[in-house]
Amino acid sequence: GESVGLHLPTLSVQEGDNSIINCAYSNSASDYFIWYKQESGKGPQFIIDIRSNMDKRQGQRVTVLLNKTVKHLSLQIAATQPGDSAVYFCAETTFGNEKLTFGTGTRLTIIP
Amino acid sequence: GAVVSQHPSWVICKSGTSVKIECRSLDFQATTMFWYRQFPKQSLMLMATSNEGSKATYEQGVEKDKFLINHASLTLSTLTVTSAHPEDSSFYICSASGGAPHNEQFFGPGTRLTVL
Repeated sequence: GESVGLHLPTLSVQEGDNSIINCAYSNSASDYFIWYKQESGKGPQFIIDIRSNMDKRQGQRVTVLLNKTVKHLSLQIAATQPGDSAVYFCAETTFGNEKLTFGTGTRLTIIP
Repeated sequence: GAVVSQHPSWVICKSGTSVKIECRSLDFQATTMFWYRQFPKQSLMLMATSNEGSKATYEQGVEKDKFLINHASLTLSTLTVTSAHPEDSSFYICSASGGAPHNEQFFGPGTRLTVL
């Protein structure tokens, strides 16, 4: 799931399997992270967030893991469904700050 | 949840013309609105931040005279692409933030601009 340059990384997962999407963030001062899902032709949709005082947070079928040591964030989606097919972006900021910095994104395709 | 709308959802215009895109927060007052640009297969890039009643703050490399932003009320911000050129063709997305506690941004559905 890591990305270089302008190419959008892709990940294909069989329906029902779990998926893991990775993100390397850039600013060591960032203390608030958000995962967004963007379907084709639509705006980003909030999935889950995590603050830097935590290393794991769980939602419905999704889990975000944060490793501040290596500035790495991951999104785990359990029991993937066709509707999970989208581009997933991580975003970083400092808590209370208004500006978000988006990662490159990963295109997730669920294979029926 | 908070709803943000954009109008139009898509627009095609001739080179040299100006295009206005509206961003509205439908069920909350947005103290801050953000405008992003997204090229195909790329991430969202912040263009500018606008607070109601004050001038927008533009990111480095974004021409403020080309991308005019007006945030006249707590529910409406507009982005005008002046003298549009084909390289301005992109997906423009706005977001709105209602403030504390962590200034969560709610995103609009985006506007696809194609300049011929």
